Amino acid sequence: EFVLTQSPATLSLSPGERATLSCRASQSVSSYLAWYQQKPGQPPRLLIYDASSRATGIPARFSGSGSGTDFTLTINSLEPEDFAVYYCQQRNNWPLTFGQGTKLEIK
Amino acid sequence: QVQLQESGPGLVRPSETLSLTCTVSGYSISSGYYWGWIRQPPGKGLEWIGSISHSGSTYYNPSLRSRVTISVDTSKNQFSLRLSSVTAADTAVYSCARGNYHDTWGQGTLVTVSS
Repeated sequence: EFVLTQSPATLSLSPGERATLSCRASQSVSSYLAWYQQKPGQPPRLLIYDASSRATGIPARFSGSGSGTDFTLTINSLEPEDFAVYYCQQRNNWPLTFGQGTKLEIK
Repeated sequence: QVQLQESGPGLVRPSETLSLTCTVSGYSISSGYYWGWIRQPPGKGLEWIGSISHSGSTYYNPSLRSRVTISVDTSKNQFSLRLSSVTAADTAVYSCARGNYHDTWGQGTLVTVSS
């Protein structure tokens, strides 16, 4: 099973700052990695797929990078609505797996 | 616009079987994609339960495989989840989603396991 480890667990930043979230895989997932944003009471929203492709309707301030075992989600110039929990997920192999999440909170 | 909607009991007794259905609108399941179930215990992270293809191929989380069955009914454009022998640890919001990258989700339904 591919284990995904996200860091940090919590990230405290102010609006306008840049957020950098990390996801590390226990073995290579090639570029088959996605990022999701989840707000309280809502289902997750797909932000990034195939490590660096933005999903439909996702603002350009969200970007993804990486391949193999190390991936990064970058959010430039944080907006108030960006404060949420972020998950990574791999689809390189069954079973599909999620990281444990990073909470992005307002400082 | 693709929409998914979960339905089923919100309360299940311990040792019984949890059964949920996901109804898809705006897209025909027969056209493709894998269709999956994901759950989230209160205050915790996401756990993939399993997925089914439009042709009926299934993949399950190894930690749940002995208790899970996912099936598809293309005539009704629905797919379903059955989880047997439930305990309190199975209390969670259960969501259905499209694809192995889950690009579309249902709103989720809270299932509580309690006597």
